[in-house]
Amino acid sequence: NAGVMQNPRHLVRRRGQEARLRCSPMKGHSHVYWYRQLPEEGLKFMVYLQKENIIDESGMPKERFSAEFPKEGPSILRIQQVVRGDSAAYFCASSPPRTSGGGELFFGEGSRLTVL
Amino acid sequence: GQNIDQPTEMTATEGAIVQINCTYQTSGFNGLFWYQQHAGEAPTFLSYNVLDGLEEKGRFSSFLSRSKGYSYLLLKELQMKDSASYLCAVTLGSSNTGKLIFGQGTTLQVKP
Repeated sequence: NAGVMQNPRHLVRRRGQEARLRCSPMKGHSHVYWYRQLPEEGLKFMVYLQKENIIDESGMPKERFSAEFPKEGPSILRIQQVVRGDSAAYFCASSPPRTSGGGELFFGEGSRLTVL
Repeated sequence: GQNIDQPTEMTATEGAIVQINCTYQTSGFNGLFWYQQHAGEAPTFLSYNVLDGLEEKGRFSSFLSRSKGYSYLLLKELQMKDSASYLCAVTLGSSNTGKLIFGQGTTLQVKP
């Protein structure tokens, strides 16, 4: 009965490299969300995906960031040409198909990115 | 813009009661969540309020006043393990999305 699985838990990159963060939602969940938590700040919504579809990417930076949730396999958050300001904890959450605006999100334990 | 305010830090004594307040000013409102987050761990769901009033769940209760844009989380019989960050989050509108607007969280320290 695995929860939301994220990997890697910790990732170190040098400026200019690429970071790939993976998220496998809970079994039976078809909705995935990515949130970012900067040091001393709250969680900030980035993107909401369903299988093969980006539903809402209003929180994604316009450049260097992309997300996908393919038909098979985990959701991927990709950060190209990382900068020090990208250092943060990136949390993935999932939920079952929803029919209303309520309902809890189930969070993974996060991927902590450090950019040197 | 969207604004959600919580105190940054609170301290309380083991066995006591503590109330963590959250005020919000948002364009649209559907419901309000409280999550608990221990350092280095995933946020875990505590409560969800849509209607005005108090929702009680064991040692934890959550209150909502939509007209005042105000909520609080009440923790009774505090235990050391309750030391954590408590996150207030709002969902907007009526769309079936899990897009939550979070406050910055309240770090609660429980002392013996």
